[in-house]
Amino acid sequence: AQSVTQLGSHVSVSEGALVLLRCNYSSSVPPYLFWYVQYPNQGLQLLLKYTSAATLVKGINGFEAEFKKSETSFHLTKPSAHMSDAAEYFCAVSGPLANSGYALNFGKGTSLLVTP
Amino acid sequence: ETGVTQTPRHLVMGMTNKKSLKCEQHLGHNAMYWYKQSAKKPLELMFVYNFKEQTENNSVPSRFSPECPNSSHLFLHLHTLQPEDSALYLCASSQDGLEMNEQFFGPGTRLTVL
Repeated sequence: AQSVTQLGSHVSVSEGALVLLRCNYSSSVPPYLFWYVQYPNQGLQLLLKYTSAATLVKGINGFEAEFKKSETSFHLTKPSAHMSDAAEYFCAVSGPLANSGYALNFGKGTSLLVTP
Repeated sequence: ETGVTQTPRHLVMGMTNKKSLKCEQHLGHNAMYWYKQSAKKPLELMFVYNFKEQTENNSVPSRFSPECPNSSHLFLHLHTLQPEDSALYLCASSQDGLEMNEQFFGPGTRLTVL
């Protein structure tokens, strides 16, 4: 079964510093991977997704992620953190359902804190 | 309205009450999902509907009853809930329910069971 593991439930960075949020996946087939962000009292918003077209994926708000098959990783990065980036970030992998169709299997999430 | 909307945004109910959560998507999608988000737990998939047909019930207790009258609307009927059912309930939709397609989420309903 497809699954993801997010390393670090909390990450703290200074404003302007590099953001690195880690995600490793487990999949027996080439995976479809996603990063979502959740701001307080809101639903999840898609940042980017990997669908095997290119290993470096650019998303919204200056985020990008690189798919590394050899490391089974899909880490999320942003060169310079803004205060507005403070939120919960979820990595997810698409997996088959028991009967038909697919659904997302989410990691536990990483809470990003940005300090002035 | 655009995207995925959910009503109500907040709900407080007693254990003997009956209430319903509503989700509506304005994206022309045909797959809809209910997720439960509890503190310190991963998002839990509850139900999946493809073309109005329920394709997944992820071992959810019968006190939660979904309904999908058409591809745009999804309901979650609640009755005799327990305090541990307090959580954020998220609705999502996607096009065709395909593996590569992202899901679009609503803002959620914050449910508190007293």
